[in-house]
Amino acid sequence: GENVEQHPSTLSVQEGDSAVIKCTYSDSASNYFPWYKQELGKGPQLIIDIRSNVGEKKDQRIAVTLNKTAKHFSLHITETQPEDSAVYFCAASKRGNLIFGKGTKLSVKP
Amino acid sequence: ETGVTQTPRHLVMGMTNKKSLKCEQHLGHNAMYWYKQSAKKPLELMFVYSLEERVENNSVPSRFSPECPNSSHLFLHLHTLQPEDSALYLCASSQALNRGLGTDTQYFGPGTRLTVL
Repeated sequence: GENVEQHPSTLSVQEGDSAVIKCTYSDSASNYFPWYKQELGKGPQLIIDIRSNVGEKKDQRIAVTLNKTAKHFSLHITETQPEDSAVYFCAASKRGNLIFGKGTKLSVKP
Repeated sequence: ETGVTQTPRHLVMGMTNKKSLKCEQHLGHNAMYWYKQSAKKPLELMFVYSLEERVENNSVPSRFSPECPNSSHLFLHLHTLQPEDSALYLCASSQALNRGLGTDTQYFGPGTRLTVL
């Protein structure tokens, strides 16, 4: 079955710096890759997603890149702000079942 | 907030109790999911319902019993749980069960924090 590895498990950056979180997946048939942000006491919130027919997608300060050959995808957050502090999860999916990574705790220091 | 609500938000129960978790989605979706989130582990898919029919059960112990009376409501009935079942239980919904073209994007509720004593 699908396996998703996510790195790093914790990431601390200074406000204004960029943050990058990387994920690898094992099943080459996976075709949908969402990223979720989870704040304390809340459920995961979708922040951006990408499908296998696209290599890159951007939404304001957030971007995701996908390398199908290498089977990895990355989340890029630019100009980080304290409110970006949260746990971020990547996931891979085929046929609708999401397989999640273990999460990255991002801390943005003012 | 999101279009997926869950009640209660917190629940403490003994191992001999019977309780139920409730999820409601206001998004007009046709698929609903239960996930378990434990510390230091990835989110684990427990059950999937599509058009009120269970389509997946990921080897979940029988002490967890799901119910989907209609496309907007999903329940998780709990009985004789173990302390290791303590976790955050998340409900999610999607427009359809993987028909592609964006229908498989899942939206999560806030979760129920369950503690089993």
